[in-house]
Amino acid sequence: QLQLQESGPGLVKPSETLSLTCTVSGDSISSGDYYWGWIRQPPGKGLEWIANIHYSASRYSNPSLKSRVTISVDTSKNHFSLQLSSVTAADTAVYYCARQPRSSSGTYFDYWGQGTLVTVSS
Amino acid sequence: QSVLTQTPSVSAAPGQKVTISCSGSSSNFGNKYVSWYQKVPGTAPKLLIYENNKRPSGIPDRFSGSKSGTSATLDITGLQTGDEADYYCGTWDNSLSGQWVFGGGTKLTVL
Repeated sequence: QLQLQESGPGLVKPSETLSLTCTVSGDSISSGDYYWGWIRQPPGKGLEWIANIHYSASRYSNPSLKSRVTISVDTSKNHFSLQLSSVTAADTAVYYCARQPRSSSGTYFDYWGQGTLVTVSS
Repeated sequence: QSVLTQTPSVSAAPGQKVTISCSGSSSNFGNKYVSWYQKVPGTAPKLLIYENNKRPSGIPDRFSGSKSGTSATLDITGLQTGDEADYYCGTWDNSLSGQWVFGGGTKLTVL
């Protein structure tokens, strides 16, 4: 059974960098058939896609966040990570990691982590 | 403002049917599949529909999806109180070098 688990600090100071890791179990992140992504939900708001990465390092990012986002993959640890720089209170959200099958015709997120709340506050 | 437009809220009584709509454009719905997600507060989103109208294993056939042109719909029949949640559509958008987009979400209230 595939499982994804987010980890990282729950509190980040303004202007600092938010760092999260998603550990994948039950499947190899190097299988090649999937992208691995980050999605967030600010309190009281909707879902917002942040970025995706393939184990080959092919990646996509939300244009509105691209300048602040770094997404990376570590196949030896079977996990992928997100860094979001220069955070503000607007980055306070529940952050989810998820799996996305590769498809040229449009894909979807089929497995999700439970989510982790990150609060930006001094 | 979301690239995909959803009605903010819908409501219906238990046992009835509700339709949730999602409107896009040629850069996304034009040649891409749509998927639907159920989001209950405090839990992770759950995939309900993928590739416009397919259900993952374990999703009851009360949930169905369709897509026509630049619009998609999620139908839920035989409403249950446990269906009360937020519902999001999502797809890949070819604009700006490619990005995944979600609709703004529709809150379903089961009266």
